[in-house]
Amino acid sequence: DAKTTQPPSMDCAEGRAANLPCNHSTISGNEYVYWYRQIHSQGPQYIIHGLKNNETNEMASLIITEDRKSSTLILPHATLRDTAVYYCIVRPGGSNYKLTFGKGTLLTVNP
Amino acid sequence: AAGVIQSPRHLIKEKRETATLKCYPIPRHDTVYWYQQGPGQDPQFLISFYEKMQSDKGSIPDRFSAQQFSDYHSELNMSSLELGDSALYFCASSLNSPLHFGNGTRLTVT
Repeated sequence: DAKTTQPPSMDCAEGRAANLPCNHSTISGNEYVYWYRQIHSQGPQYIIHGLKNNETNEMASLIITEDRKSSTLILPHATLRDTAVYYCIVRPGGSNYKLTFGKGTLLTVNP
Repeated sequence: AAGVIQSPRHLIKEKRETATLKCYPIPRHDTVYWYQQGPGQDPQFLISFYEKMQSDKGSIPDRFSAQQFSDYHSELNMSSLELGDSALYFCASSLNSPLHFGNGTRLTVT
């Protein structure tokens, strides 16, 4: 699986947009970009995923660069409850949905 | 909506004892994944099952075994427990979809 690189920590003011970057320069054509988050000691929570097009759902937006070597997760209006570790994971296409977690980004939303 | 149910939530065992963790997937999900997350660590994949057969294997110690039953629930059996087995154990389920995780079992080995 392609390796991802994320900043270890970021801060964001409550109500502002949080933009979390991820580098996956070795991604191959059939690999998807997934984002999960883990609020302290809870189970990881699925946020969004994409292949090459930008995606949006009720939680977030995912922007993938044209060369697919990096992506950005956007939380449009961060709240205190969005404080969590955010994981960017590259997963091959196919029926095996196994995730390999790397080092994520601890996002702290401040009042 | 129904989520992944794990039991027990907390478990305290002594060294060399055995432990059994249970996972009840989301209804109709046919695949179960087990993860281990040590203190300050990221979740590590242990093993997965699809339609009651082992489908993938990660860094699961030989002292651990798991299975998926006909009702699709899964159990992780851990023997000869060591202090280093103290961790959060997560189960996730899937039906050709992104994984949905339970809230884990916290195992403490003393």
